[in-house]
Parts: sequence; structure tokens; C-alpha cells
Amino acid sequence: DSGVTQTPKHLITATGQRVTLRCSPRSGDLSVYWYQQSLDQGLQFLIHYYNGEERAKGNILERFSAQQFPDLHSELNLSSLELGDSALYFCATDQDGGLGNEQFFGPGTRLTVL
Amino acid sequence: GQSLEQPSEVTAVEGAIVQINCTYQTSGFYGLSWYQQHDGGAPTFLSYNGLDGLEETGRFSSFLSRSDSYGYLLLQELQMKDSASYFCAVRGSRDDKIIFGKGTRLHILP
Repeated sequence: DSGVTQTPKHLITATGQRVTLRCSPRSGDLSVYWYQQSLDQGLQFLIHYYNGEERAKGNILERFSAQQFPDLHSELNLSSLELGDSALYFCATDQDGGLGNEQFFGPGTRLTVL
Repeated sequence: GQSLEQPSEVTAVEGAIVQINCTYQTSGFYGLSWYQQHDGGAPTFLSYNGLDGLEETGRFSSFLSRSDSYGYLLLQELQMKDSASYFCAVRGSRDDKIIFGKGTRLHILP
């Protein structure tokens, strides 16, 4: 158990819908990263937040957005969902966004779009 | 563009040594990280090379050569529990974007 929690564990929804994925970091971690992992694909970096501020953006679609709240938990919002958005979504956290830091991954949210 | 290349699969025998290579094309990055992911699980951090050379952590070692645009993960005394996917990753020095390789699935035979 990494100490990072993600909810929900599973999510099944229909095309065109909007969902929110939640991530709570380990105590003391200020950085949150979001990743998408599709079948047979590696991890695609979506976005990185540090202490409430956006630090870096990957190949995140315009239909996706994220934020980090004052209590440091983060939410990833996915809208106008398409079949291709079906994937495993991980958040990871580390203490301060440091370069060589070990990132601690949550258990993931499996999103299925029907 | 920036990319990391890894073999898609590697097979080795229990007790043996295996090397998983990672070659990259990137304009600049801070260091090379390695992660392990078991089926159905979350990635877990294995190692980080900020400088060229070898880093050793128990049965696992990782190596980086910036001049050769190459790194590898070395797993010794393979155990069945090492059957997993292994990912290399870098963080770009210009944009802080994190790039993962597509992963190498390691199969271990008894």
C-alpha cells in the first residue's frame, strides 16, 4: 500500500458523459501527477500539480482538466467521454516534485466508456 | 520528438540475470527512472540515475550513459515474483514533461 488513495476504483459510463476521478496524496506530499494507461500502452503523463499550482502539462486532451485543492487532494475531470478514453487512470504523488523523487502510485481508477 | 524505446518482451530463467535496455531520443532530461508494474497493480519505483554510471539496490542495478543515449536495468538472481512489466521514464529538462517507455514484459521460466 503506497498510501495514495484513488476513488472510485471502477467507473462505467456512457459516451458523452462527464466523470471526476479523485486522488488523495500521502501525508506530506505536495506533488500530484496524473497518468493514463491504455491497454498494451505505457503510461501517458497527463499533468503535474505542485502545492495547488500546475507545474507541467503532458498530452492532456482539452476535454480533460485537473486541479489540486488546498488540502492537496486532486481531481481529474474527463468530459464528453469517448470510447477511446477507456483506460486505467493513475495518480502518483511525491514530496516536492523533485527530479529523482520516487513517485508513489495510487491503485488506479479503471474507466470504462460504453 | 522525445521517445524512449524498450524491448516489448524479455524471457529469462529463474536464478539468472537479465538486462532490460532503454534507448532514448530526447533533447534534454534530468535523469532516468525505472518502475515495475505487476499485472493488475500500480507501478512501483525501482531506481533513478541522475548521473552517468551504475546505481545498485539489492538485486537490481540501473545504468545510464548520456553520451550513448542509453540506459538499462539489470536484475540478478531472478525470482518468479520478478515477472512483471518494467518501464523506463525521463523528465524533460525544458518542459518538465514526464515520458515513459512502453514497457518491457519480463517472463521468467522455472
